[in-house]
Amino acid sequence: NAGVTQTPKFQVLKTGQSMTLQCAQDMNHNSMYWYRQDPGMGLRLIYYSASEGTTDKGEVPNGYNVSRLNKREFSLRLESAAPSQTSVYFCASSVTTRGRQPQHFGDGTRLSIL
Amino acid sequence: AQSVTQPDIHITVSEGASLELRCNYSYGATPYLFWYVQSPGQGLQLLLKYFSGDTLVQGIKGFEAEFKRSQSSFNLRKPSVQWSDTAEYFCAVRTNSGGYQKVTFGTGTKLQVIP
Repeated sequence: NAGVTQTPKFQVLKTGQSMTLQCAQDMNHNSMYWYRQDPGMGLRLIYYSASEGTTDKGEVPNGYNVSRLNKREFSLRLESAAPSQTSVYFCASSVTTRGRQPQHFGDGTRLSIL
Repeated sequence: AQSVTQPDIHITVSEGASLELRCNYSYGATPYLFWYVQSPGQGLQLLLKYFSGDTLVQGIKGFEAEFKRSQSSFNLRKPSVQWSDTAEYFCAVRTNSGGYQKVTFGTGTKLQVIP
């Protein structure tokens, strides 16, 4: 009964370092999403994957890359971390490829860039 | 441009009291509307959604919401809150512009339920 699993839960990086946030879902969902959540700004979509093998930019894609490795996994990579990327990152999934409303969220990755 | 406004940043209510969280949207056509709840340290959970039809929709955990086109609102209600309802609540709207669908989240309302 895992749903959407994100790793790691917490991470501290130095400016310029790279890292990959991992996400996996076990609900056989087609669509997966990466959001960032910042105080007073709600959630903003970084990247979206309608189905295995496809990815699309969201509202705030700059500084990020994604990989839809298979139907289950969708990773987010920061190539050269910047303090402005300090945030809480959420992965989400949904059954349908129509529309872009996420149904199930992971518990988040709290990322600090020093 | 479409947007979602949650005018109340923080609300405190007593256990057993009724609750209404406000949400207003800006969009030219009929949107798809959602409410999510986020408990501390966790991801968001979908409470309910409105696509069409009956303007009063029921969700999980005893919540309901009413779509009012004339007021561009989709307020969330619960007749009697519990301490476990303490969380942050997000309204979201899905819109379609030129075949491009987008979900926009409000900035959230933090609900504190006191015993």
